[in-house]
Amino acid sequence: DGGITQSPKYLFRKEGQNVTLSCEQNLNHDAMYWYRQDPGQGLRLIYYSQIVNDFQKGDIAEGYSVSREKKESFPLTVTSAQKNPTAFYLCASRRRDIGDMAKNIQYFGAGTRLSVL
Amino acid sequence: AQSVTQLDSHVSVSEGTPVLLRCNYSSSYSPSLFWYVQHPNKGLQLLLKYTSAATLVKGINGFEAEFKKSETSFHLTKPSAHMSDAAEYFCVVSDLSGGYNKLIFGAGTRLAVHP
Repeated sequence: DGGITQSPKYLFRKEGQNVTLSCEQNLNHDAMYWYRQDPGQGLRLIYYSQIVNDFQKGDIAEGYSVSREKKESFPLTVTSAQKNPTAFYLCASRRRDIGDMAKNIQYFGAGTRLSVL
Repeated sequence: AQSVTQLDSHVSVSEGTPVLLRCNYSSSYSPSLFWYVQHPNKGLQLLLKYTSAATLVKGINGFEAEFKKSETSFHLTKPSAHMSDAAEYFCVVSDLSGGYNKLIFGAGTRLAVHP
């Protein structure tokens, strides 16, 4: 089945620790995104990547890092510099990011819930 | 800049009664608008999208939304609520100003459906 797989479903971080959230897609999509969701709020963009080996900061990139070495993978690292990491993290992908963008829908994974110990 | 305001943070209806979830948008050009649904601890699923074609958009699970430019609204409706509709709903506008496809999310409306 085609889709976006995020792992783990639940993750706990100790103070001062870096943790990495996995996002894999087999949809052959070019663009991938990471969002953060806090209770009672909409999603906020952390990082996005339109193509392999390229990525850009979103609205709340501080304390996070990403890589895009393969088309199907876009891991997110929550670093110790992120002082309030507790949130629900969602990964999304999109076929391509040019042309008639409105016809190209973002598809979401099931999310990873990160908590601080 | 594009923005989205969902006018109700919580909506409660009885099963079998109509659903109305309100959304107003602000856009400097003709917007692309979406409604997504999120069930607890799940990812987001696209319900429907408006892309400057028909102003009345039909989506999955009996939902529809009407784009009203004069009112800058994109309200989501369903004639008869089902228990399985209980979820959080997000109104979303596509922002193209940064040279890439960016989605601007509303804060969400939590829909409760009572027997």
